[in-house]
Amino acid sequence: KAGVTQTPRYLIKTRGQQVTLSCSPISGHRSVSWYQQTPGQGLQFLFEYFSETQRNKGNFPGRFSGRQFSNSRSEMNVSTLELGDSALYLCASSAGTSGTNYYNEQFFGPGTRLTVL
Amino acid sequence: KQEVTQIPAALSVPEGENLVLNCSFTDSAIYNLQWFRQDPGKGLTSLLLIQSSQREQTSGRLNASLDKSSGRSTLYIAASQPGDSATYLCAAPDLSGGYQKVTFGIGTKLQVIP
Repeated sequence: KAGVTQTPRYLIKTRGQQVTLSCSPISGHRSVSWYQQTPGQGLQFLFEYFSETQRNKGNFPGRFSGRQFSNSRSEMNVSTLELGDSALYLCASSAGTSGTNYYNEQFFGPGTRLTVL
Repeated sequence: KQEVTQIPAALSVPEGENLVLNCSFTDSAIYNLQWFRQDPGKGLTSLLLIQSSQREQTSGRLNASLDKSSGRSTLYIAASQPGDSATYLCAAPDLSGGYQKVTFGIGTKLQVIP
Protein backbone atom coordinates (compact mmCIF):
# COMPACT_ATOMS: atom_id res chain seq x y z
CA LYS A 1 0.00 0.00 0.00
CA ALA A 2 1.31 3.44 -0.86
CA GLY A 3 1.86 5.73 2.09
CA VAL A 4 0.69 9.26 2.68
CA THR A 5 2.00 11.71 0.10
CA GLN A 6 2.33 15.46 0.43
CA THR A 7 3.11 18.03 -2.22
CA PRO A 8 5.05 20.15 -2.59
CA ARG A 9 7.85 19.09 -0.27
CA TYR A 10 9.36 22.57 -0.03
CA LEU A 11 7.93 26.04 -0.50
CA ILE A 12 9.34 29.52 -0.18
CA LYS A 13 6.89 32.40 -0.04
CA THR A 14 6.93 36.03 1.00
CA ARG A 15 4.78 37.73 3.61
CA GLY A 16 1.26 38.48 2.47
CA GLN A 17 1.12 35.71 -0.12
CA GLN A 18 -1.09 32.67 0.15
CA VAL A 19 -0.18 29.01 -0.16
CA THR A 20 -1.96 25.71 -0.81
CA LEU A 21 -0.62 22.39 0.39
CA SER A 22 -1.87 18.99 -0.74
CA CYS A 23 -2.16 15.62 0.98
CA SER A 24 -3.17 12.24 -0.42
CA PRO A 25 -4.02 9.72 2.30
CA ILE A 26 -3.47 5.99 2.32
CA SER A 27 -5.94 4.25 0.03
CA GLY A 28 -9.15 3.48 1.91
CA HIS A 29 -8.50 6.01 4.66
CA ARG A 30 -11.18 8.65 4.98
CA SER A 31 -9.76 10.83 7.74
CA VAL A 32 -7.05 13.41 7.18
CA SER A 33 -5.56 15.55 9.93
CA TRP A 34 -3.20 18.46 9.53
CA TYR A 35 -0.49 19.57 11.96
CA GLN A 36 1.98 22.41 12.18
CA GLN A 37 5.39 21.64 13.65
CA THR A 38 7.78 24.34 14.83
CA PRO A 39 10.84 24.10 17.09
CA GLY A 40 9.20 26.30 19.72
CA GLN A 41 5.66 24.88 19.80
CA GLY A 42 6.15 21.28 18.75
CA LEU A 43 3.29 19.58 16.94
CA GLN A 44 0.06 21.58 16.92
CA PHE A 45 -3.24 20.22 15.60
CA LEU A 46 -4.80 22.31 12.83
CA PHE A 47 -7.92 20.42 11.72
CA GLU A 48 -9.36 17.05 10.81
CA TYR A 49 -11.53 16.08 7.85
CA PHE A 50 -13.63 12.98 7.31
CA SER A 51 -15.74 12.33 4.24
CA GLU A 52 -15.38 15.92 3.03
CA THR A 53 -16.50 17.38 6.39
CA GLN A 54 -14.37 19.23 8.88
CA ARG A 55 -15.02 17.41 12.14
CA ASN A 56 -12.47 19.11 14.33
CA LYS A 57 -10.44 22.30 14.40
CA GLY A 58 -7.49 23.43 16.46
CA ASN A 59 -6.73 26.85 17.84
CA PHE A 60 -5.45 28.61 14.73
CA PRO A 61 -6.62 31.87 13.10
CA GLY A 62 -9.07 31.86 10.22
CA ARG A 63 -6.19 32.38 7.77
CA PHE A 64 -5.72 28.63 8.02
CA SER A 65 -8.36 26.67 6.16
CA GLY A 66 -8.74 23.34 4.50
CA ARG A 67 -10.98 21.07 2.54
CA GLN A 68 -11.33 17.46 1.57
CA PHE A 69 -12.41 16.03 -1.73
CA SER A 70 -14.58 13.02 -2.50
CA ASN A 71 -11.46 10.88 -3.09
CA SER A 72 -10.27 11.79 0.45
CA ARG A 73 -7.43 13.95 -0.81
CA SER A 74 -7.12 17.10 1.26
CA GLU A 75 -5.73 20.56 0.83
CA MET A 76 -4.90 23.21 3.35
CA ASN A 77 -4.61 26.88 2.55
CA VAL A 78 -2.87 29.65 4.42
CA SER A 79 -3.71 33.18 3.35
CA THR A 80 -1.84 36.40 4.12
CA LEU A 81 1.30 34.58 5.17
CA GLU A 82 3.24 35.79 8.20
CA LEU A 83 6.84 35.08 9.16
CA GLY A 84 5.58 32.93 12.04
CA ASP A 85 3.88 30.58 9.61
CA SER A 86 7.27 29.15 8.67
CA ALA A 87 7.03 25.52 9.76
CA LEU A 88 6.85 21.90 8.73
CA TYR A 89 3.25 21.07 7.84
CA LEU A 90 2.34 17.46 8.29
CA CYS A 91 -0.73 15.55 7.33
CA ALA A 92 -1.81 12.24 8.76
CA SER A 93 -4.36 9.74 7.54
CA SER A 94 -6.40 7.21 9.44
CA ALA A 95 -9.44 5.04 8.95
CA GLY A 96 -11.18 7.44 11.30
CA THR A 97 -14.47 5.62 11.42
CA SER A 98 -14.94 5.66 15.19
CA GLY A 99 -16.60 8.21 17.42
CA THR A 100 -15.05 11.07 19.32
CA ASN A 101 -13.92 8.88 22.21
CA TYR A 102 -11.71 6.58 20.18
CA TYR A 103 -8.48 7.52 18.52
CA ASN A 104 -7.63 5.75 15.27
CA GLU A 105 -3.98 5.03 14.49
CA GLN A 106 -2.48 7.75 12.32
CA PHE A 107 0.10 7.53 9.55
CA PHE A 108 2.02 10.62 8.59
CA GLY A 109 3.31 11.97 5.32
CA PRO A 110 6.81 13.41 4.81
CA GLY A 111 5.61 16.97 5.33
CA THR A 112 5.84 20.25 3.46
CA ARG A 113 8.53 22.66 4.64
CA LEU A 114 7.18 26.20 4.29
CA THR A 115 9.53 29.13 4.59
CA VAL A 116 8.06 32.64 4.70
CA LEU A 117 10.48 35.46 3.93
CA LYS B 1 -7.36 18.80 28.27
CA GLN B 2 -4.67 16.16 27.81
CA GLU B 3 -1.11 17.07 28.73
CA VAL B 4 1.86 14.91 27.79
CA THR B 5 5.34 14.96 29.25
CA GLN B 6 8.34 13.08 27.92
CA ILE B 7 11.44 12.49 29.97
CA PRO B 8 14.30 12.74 29.27
CA ALA B 9 14.34 15.41 26.56
CA ALA B 10 17.60 14.03 25.21
CA LEU B 11 19.54 10.82 25.68
CA SER B 12 22.93 9.67 24.44
CA VAL B 13 23.89 6.01 24.79
CA PRO B 14 26.56 3.69 23.42
CA GLU B 15 25.55 1.16 20.81
CA GLY B 16 24.16 -2.08 22.18
CA GLU B 17 22.62 -0.59 25.30
CA ASN B 18 19.00 -1.25 26.28
CA LEU B 19 17.05 1.91 27.04
CA VAL B 20 13.68 3.15 28.23
CA LEU B 21 11.85 6.26 27.09
CA ASN B 22 9.09 7.64 29.30
CA CYS B 23 5.79 9.31 28.51
CA SER B 24 3.37 10.67 31.12
CA PHE B 25 -0.18 11.83 30.42
CA THR B 26 -2.81 13.49 32.58
CA ASP B 27 -6.11 12.08 31.26
CA SER B 28 -6.07 8.36 31.93
CA ALA B 29 -9.46 7.66 30.32
CA ILE B 30 -7.74 6.95 27.00
CA TYR B 31 -8.21 3.72 25.09
CA ASN B 32 -4.85 3.75 23.33
CA LEU B 33 -1.62 5.65 22.79
CA GLN B 34 0.73 5.87 19.82
CA TRP B 35 4.52 6.09 19.64
CA PHE B 36 6.36 7.66 16.70
CA ARG B 37 9.89 8.35 15.62
CA GLN B 38 10.95 11.38 13.64
CA ASP B 39 14.20 11.78 11.77
CA PRO B 40 15.46 15.36 11.30
CA GLY B 41 13.33 17.31 8.82
CA LYS B 42 11.15 14.30 8.09
CA GLY B 43 7.62 13.20 8.83
CA LEU B 44 6.61 10.93 11.70
CA THR B 45 6.93 7.17 11.41
CA SER B 46 4.42 5.14 13.41
CA LEU B 47 6.15 2.66 15.71
CA LEU B 48 3.44 1.19 17.89
CA LEU B 49 -0.17 1.77 18.78
CA ILE B 50 -0.84 0.28 22.17
CA GLN B 51 -4.37 -0.39 23.43
CA SER B 52 -5.18 0.03 27.11
CA SER B 53 -6.44 -3.57 27.15
CA GLN B 54 -3.06 -4.87 25.94
CA ARG B 55 -0.75 -3.35 28.55
CA GLU B 56 2.18 -4.22 26.22
CA GLN B 57 2.87 -4.24 22.48
CA THR B 58 6.02 -5.47 20.73
CA SER B 59 7.54 -4.81 17.32
CA GLY B 60 11.02 -6.20 16.73
CA ARG B 61 13.39 -4.64 19.26
CA LEU B 62 10.70 -2.25 20.47
CA ASN B 63 8.32 -2.87 23.33
CA ALA B 64 5.75 -0.38 24.55
CA SER B 65 3.73 -0.60 27.73
CA LEU B 66 0.75 1.41 28.87
CA ASP B 67 -0.34 1.84 32.49
CA LYS B 68 -3.49 3.95 32.58
CA SER B 69 -3.73 3.92 36.36
CA SER B 70 -0.41 5.70 36.71
CA GLY B 71 -0.77 7.77 33.52
CA ARG B 72 2.43 6.38 32.05
CA SER B 73 3.68 4.70 28.92
CA THR B 74 7.20 3.46 28.30
CA LEU B 75 9.02 2.57 25.11
CA TYR B 76 11.77 0.01 25.59
CA ILE B 77 14.45 -0.29 22.89
CA ALA B 78 16.63 -3.38 23.10
CA ALA B 79 20.20 -3.56 21.82
CA SER B 80 20.23 -0.02 20.47
CA GLN B 81 21.84 0.71 17.09
CA PRO B 82 23.09 3.94 15.49
CA GLY B 83 20.11 3.75 13.12
CA ASP B 84 17.82 4.20 16.13
CA SER B 85 19.08 7.78 16.48
CA ALA B 86 16.00 9.98 16.09
CA THR B 87 13.42 11.87 18.12
CA TYR B 88 10.77 9.66 19.71
CA LEU B 89 7.32 11.13 20.32
CA CYS B 90 4.33 9.78 22.15
CA ALA B 91 0.81 10.90 21.31
CA ALA B 92 -2.05 10.55 23.79
CA PRO B 93 -5.66 11.13 22.74
CA ASP B 94 -7.35 14.26 24.03
CA LEU B 95 -10.82 12.85 24.59
CA SER B 96 -12.29 16.25 25.38
CA GLY B 97 -10.90 17.67 22.15
CA GLY B 98 -13.13 15.92 19.61
CA TYR B 99 -12.36 13.69 16.67
CA GLN B 100 -8.78 12.42 16.29
CA LYS B 101 -7.46 15.05 18.67
CA VAL B 102 -4.17 13.98 20.19
CA THR B 103 -1.58 15.74 22.26
CA PHE B 104 2.06 15.13 21.44
CA GLY B 105 4.93 15.27 23.86
CA ILE B 106 7.95 17.34 22.90
CA GLY B 107 9.85 14.14 22.30
CA THR B 108 13.03 12.44 23.45
CA LYS B 109 16.00 13.02 21.16
CA LEU B 110 18.03 9.82 21.12
CA GLN B 111 21.61 9.54 19.96
CA VAL B 112 23.19 6.10 19.76
CA ILE B 113 26.96 6.30 19.56
CA PRO B 114 28.78 3.62 17.55
